[in-house]
Amino acid sequence: AQSVTQLDSQVPVFEEAPVELRCNYSSSVSVYLFWYVQYPNQGLQLLLKYLSGSTLVKGINGFEAEFNKSQTSFHLRKPSVHISDTAEYFCAVIPSGGYQKVTFGTGTKLQVIP
Amino acid sequence: DAGVIQSPRHEVTEMGQEVTLRCKPISGHDYLFWYRQTMMRGLELLIYFNNNVPIDDSGMPEDRFSAKMPNASFSTLKIQPSEPRDSAVYFCASSSPGSLGGISYNEQFFGPGTRLTVL
Repeated sequence: AQSVTQLDSQVPVFEEAPVELRCNYSSSVSVYLFWYVQYPNQGLQLLLKYLSGSTLVKGINGFEAEFNKSQTSFHLRKPSVHISDTAEYFCAVIPSGGYQKVTFGTGTKLQVIP
Repeated sequence: DAGVIQSPRHEVTEMGQEVTLRCKPISGHDYLFWYRQTMMRGLELLIYFNNNVPIDDSGMPEDRFSAKMPNASFSTLKIQPSEPRDSAVYFCASSSPGSLGGISYNEQFFGPGTRLTVL
């Protein structure tokens, strides 16, 4: 079984400041890793994904994440946030090899302060 | 494509009533997922279908919940009878196998959700 831990339930940050949202996972098999964003009153949208290859993954809206296998982490970063980045962010894992059940973290609410 | 469509967007009902939530997946997608999101429990997978067949319903909380997918373009999630603790946002998502760098994976596309309130 897989599990995902997002330790920070809320992260306030000033506009134009950098931000890092933390994600750690646990799995006995290799996994694919995802970050989703949920804007208020909307469904989840895929920000970026790691399947294999380069451990630094770039996504939409200037976000990037780095896969660290030894630390079982997949932290999300953005060098300069905007008000429009205010949303909830979910880290997720799925076992590699064609499985379908995604395990989501509990989410981190990013509040960008003007 | 219009994306995943869910209806209604909001539903308010009284305890004991039957509730039916509807989902139209993206055309061509062969997987469909039902999720429930609450503050207490986060995002939970309830059930998912492949080619209209239920594959895993281990997340369905109890017998009051049932889901069907009569064809590739329509699915329902029914709660009968409903209880206040069923109040949540219910999401439908669909996916289809893709490939990136020779690796097969499925990206799930989520609908806007149905906010259910049971009084």
